[in-house]
Amino acid sequence: EVQLVESGGGLVQPGRSLKLSCAASGFTFSDYYMAWVRQAPTKGLEWVASISYDGGSTYYRDSVKGRFTISRDNAKSSLYLQMDSLRSEDTATYYCTTLKYRYNPFAYWGQGTLVTVSS
Amino acid sequence: DIRMTQSPASLSASLGETVNIECLASEDIYSDLAWYQQKPGKSPQLLIYNANSLQNGVPSRFSGSGSGTQYSLKINSLQSEDVATYFCQQYNNYPYTFGAGTKLELK
Repeated sequence: EVQLVESGGGLVQPGRSLKLSCAASGFTFSDYYMAWVRQAPTKGLEWVASISYDGGSTYYRDSVKGRFTISRDNAKSSLYLQMDSLRSEDTATYYCTTLKYRYNPFAYWGQGTLVTVSS
Repeated sequence: DIRMTQSPASLSASLGETVNIECLASEDIYSDLAWYQQKPGKSPQLLIYNANSLQNGVPSRFSGSGSGTQYSLKINSLQSEDVATYFCQQYNNYPYTFGAGTKLELK
């Protein structure tokens, strides 16, 4: 059974940093692209970033480019999102998701971790 | 960015009824279209991909259709467990974009 378990969320002040982690199990982690998708409270879904099988290619939405860094450790079956210079508009539940290929739907989702950016 | 316009924003239907949700892309997305179901307090789940392919384990009362810029999700014989918010999403080009969602309630 595929499991994705996010951690690392919490309350953080604007301008500070936070690092999210996602522990994956139940599938061959290195065979999948991975991504982060977020959802602001009572709002819709927004793709944040994606990473290729070996981490050699990364993709970001414009609003987080230069502030967020997606990475992975295939030996640990783990995905990460380093978030720097956080803004109030980054407040959301962050979901770890899988994609079979670069252009593919999000097949599996974690339960999400809430990030609140507020002073 | 490709804009995904979903309608209606909310929908009220009776048990056993057939429901249709529409999704319009701002440009041709060549059937690179997925539908997700999100129940309250839960993470989204993939229902349909490639516009009309049913994800493993999804009940056959769900179906998708469309091409080019126009797509739809159909739910036959509505069940109580189908109460949820439904999102469409294009994966033809970055940034991936989602519709705003359709909240489905029971009448």
